Order: sequence, then structure tokens, then C-alpha cells
Amino acid sequence: GAVVSQHPSRVICKSGTSVKIECRSLDFQATTMFWYRQFPKQSLMLMATSNEGSKATYEQGVEKDKFLINHASLTLSTLTVTSAHPEDSSFYICSARDQSRSSYEQYFGPGTRLTVT
Amino acid sequence: GENVEQHPSTLSVQEGDSAVIKCTYSDSASNYFPWYKQELGKRPQLIIDIRSNVGEKKDQRIAVTLNKTAKHFSLHITETQPEDSAVYFCAASMGSNDYKLSFGAGTTVTVRA
Repeated sequence: GAVVSQHPSRVICKSGTSVKIECRSLDFQATTMFWYRQFPKQSLMLMATSNEGSKATYEQGVEKDKFLINHASLTLSTLTVTSAHPEDSSFYICSARDQSRSSYEQYFGPGTRLTVT
Repeated sequence: GENVEQHPSTLSVQEGDSAVIKCTYSDSASNYFPWYKQELGKRPQLIIDIRSNVGEKKDQRIAVTLNKTAKHFSLHITETQPEDSAVYFCAASMGSNDYKLSFGAGTTVTVRA
């Protein structure tokens, strides 16, 4: 089956620093990937749609200059949290759809737990 | 944008009983409705999904029903087992909108042994 990986699985950083999270589709290509944020005991909130070769599309209320997204290839999207603050501590999850299939199914990465101290 | 509401927020059932979770959506253009099970600290796991051209789908103990007219869909779990305890999310999506998912708020299901 289709597999999506994320790296790192956990990261702790100091306030004011930047953190990069990678999302890879291992056995399929994806022109579109999605980034979600999930706070404890809450649902997944879509942050942005990552588009290969073009600018990401951000959801309302998400600061594009704070959450930088780069989708440089058909298998890799990165999310950089810039000038991180404690309120950015969350579980970040990416997903992708196998564009070669007609299925609507999305495959989720295992998530990245970010803690900002 | 699409708004998905999910009820109840918590559900406690006796092992062997059935569990039902209901969701409503706002955008009639939505045409794909997946259900996910998420355990603490893990990725959401697709357990069943349904397209808008189908009214019901079943996979062993799990079934989903869709009422397009009323814009609501439900998850049914029969013969619940302790390992069914988790958080369940419904979602809605449409192909015309990059297939992006709008999630419900989630239901914490506890199966009492």
C-alpha cells in the first residue's frame, strides 16, 4: 500500500528558532500534499495545501510567512516553522493522495510532535 | 468552506453493543466521506469510506450510511470490542477542491469490558 513518511517524529526546539519537517511519499507521486496541525484532544485542522512546483495555498488564519512550505519534487514536501513559540507546540501531520489512482483516499504520515520550550 | 459537525463527542458502550457516530456536512458538492480511527500519538487510520453515489457500505463489523438529501452520514460499529476504543473522526471532501479533507471534531469511544 501507499506509504507516507515524516521526519523527524519528535523535535524539541527553543523559542525563536526554526524547525523543518519533511513529508515524503515513498512509493507514489503526489503533486499535492496537505499539512495539518492537531492540538491535544482536538481534531485535525488543515493548515495548507502544498503544490509541487508552485506556491502553497494556506487556509484562512494560517500565517504563510511563519509556516513556510516547499514542495520541490513529486515525493517531498517540507514545512518550516519559523521563529517558533510555545504556542506552536503541536502534532503536525501531512497527507497525500496517489495521483495515479482514481481513489480519493489520502495517506497520512505518522506525524511530528513539535515542542517549543 | 465545508463545515463538518460530529456527534457525540464521547461515547461509552458495553463490549458487544453497537456504537453509532453521526456527522453532518454543509457543502452539497462534497462527494467523498471517509472515517478515521486515531489512537493517541498515532496517524489517523482509514477504517471505511463512502462515495456520494452509494448510500451504504459495510466492511465486517463496520458500516457507513450516507443521506445526501439531508447531508449527513453515520458510522456504525457492531459487536464492539475493547480494541475499538479510540478517537474517531469523520471527514468530507470533494474532487473539485483538491480533495482536501474537512474533519469533524472527533468522538472518543470507550468500550467497557
